[in-house]
Amino acid sequence: EPEVTQTPSHQVTQMGQEVILRCVPISNHLYFYWYRQILGQKVEFLVSFYNNEISEKSEIFDDQFSVERPDGSNFTLKIRSTKLEDSAMYFCASSERDYGYTFGSGTRLTVV
Amino acid sequence: AQTVTQSQPEMSVQEAETVTLSCTYDTSESNYYLFWYKQPPSRQMILVIRQEAYKQQNATENRFSVNFQKAAKSFSLKISDSQLGDTAMYFCAFRLGGATNKLIFGTGTLLAVQP
Repeated sequence: EPEVTQTPSHQVTQMGQEVILRCVPISNHLYFYWYRQILGQKVEFLVSFYNNEISEKSEIFDDQFSVERPDGSNFTLKIRSTKLEDSAMYFCASSERDYGYTFGSGTRLTVV
Repeated sequence: AQTVTQSQPEMSVQEAETVTLSCTYDTSESNYYLFWYKQPPSRQMILVIRQEAYKQQNATENRFSVNFQKAAKSFSLKISDSQLGDTAMYFCAFRLGGATNKLIFGTGTLLAVQP
C-alpha cells in the first residue's frame, strides 16, 4: 500500500536553530498538508498546499514557518529560529480529491 | 466555524467485547466528510473509517462501523470484538467538501482494551 514517508523520525535541535522536516507524499496525490501535535494535545492544522502554492494556513503558521516542494517528490516544512514551544510531533499528509488523507509516521521535534 | 467534540477522554473495554466512541460536530454546511483516525503508541495516524455526509448508509470496515446521525450531528464509532491491538487514541475528524480543506480534529478518546 502506498505510504507517505517522513524523515527524520526524530530531530533534536537547539533553540534558535533552523530545522527542515522532509516528506515524500504518495506519488499520484496532489494535495499536501502539515499538521502538528503537541504531546498530549489534539492534532492541529498548519498548512495545506496545492499546485505549488499554499491554499490555506492556520494562525500557527506564521513567518517562522515555510513550506516548499523543491522537486517532483519532496514536500518540506522549514521552521526558522526554533522555540521551545515548537517541540511537537509534525505530521505530513497527502490526499486525492475528496478522499481521506494518508498521514506519514511523523517527525518528533525536540527543541532544547 | 466547524467544531468537533469528543466527550469521552478515556474508555476501557474487555477483549472481545463491543465499545462505542462518541463524536459530535457542528457545521452549517451540507457537503462534508467525517473520519475516525487511530493513533497507537507509535503515534502514527491511521485512517479507520470515513463517511460522506451525502450517504445515508453507515460506513463499515470489518469490525469497525459508524452510526451517522446527520440531523443530530453525531458520528459514533463502534468497535466489535475488541482486540488488544485496538488499544490506541481515537480521533474523530471533520472535513468540508473540496480537496484542499483542512481536517478538524476532536480532542481524542484513549481506548484501553483489557485482556
